[in-house]
Amino acid sequence: DAGVTQSPTHLIKTRGQHVTLRCSPISGHKSVSWYQQVLGQGPQFIFQYYEKEERGRGNFPDRFSARQFPNYSSELNVNALLLGDSALYLCASSQRVNTEAFFGQGTRLTVV
Amino acid sequence: AQSVTQLGSHVSVSEGALVLLRCNYSSSVPPYLFWYVQYPNQGLQLLLKYTSAATLVKGINGFEAEFKKSETSFHLTKPSAHMSDAAEYFCAVSDRAAGNKLTFGGGTRVLVKP
Repeated sequence: DAGVTQSPTHLIKTRGQHVTLRCSPISGHKSVSWYQQVLGQGPQFIFQYYEKEERGRGNFPDRFSARQFPNYSSELNVNALLLGDSALYLCASSQRVNTEAFFGQGTRLTVV
Repeated sequence: AQSVTQLGSHVSVSEGALVLLRCNYSSSVPPYLFWYVQYPNQGLQLLLKYTSAATLVKGINGFEAEFKKSETSFHLTKPSAHMSDAAEYFCAVSDRAAGNKLTFGGGTRVLVKP
């Protein structure tokens, strides 16, 4: 079975632009979470979705938004990009809200 | 609120020597605790987890960790380091009531010397 897949693997954006990151969970998993990992730091929780509903939100500005689709895949959107948004964005899927999370390889976003 | 502190951002060990990575947590409720490993340009791989069963938890690749409530610690050990253990290790805590939202420590990078 395929693991958690994220796309794209790398991208470069300019300050002020918008970006959309995508995540496909493991088959049968209904929950997706997003994390931001700035270089040299541990991941920070951004969002959790379960059955297409937001179940948790971290301490991130409103420029960050996400959604989950009927097939349980998810998108993370970031508007008005700042240099500080440069990071590895990790997606994790789990069967339910409180079961083990499996991480994807991440999307490396560079804002210039 | 929960928090995790990993003592030592970098650890250097000789091949065959003991690996000890320290993790202390803060949680107002009984926690779930995790150790993850991250290889360069990769995502996170779960090494082991504590979910209120046995306090000594065995994981993959020969790692184990012991939950000590009195010390609020969950240190990770491996008796004999291998070159392939060179990676970054993250300790994480989750609030059982908050689903699997994970709060991570800052990470410890392990260097293994031949």
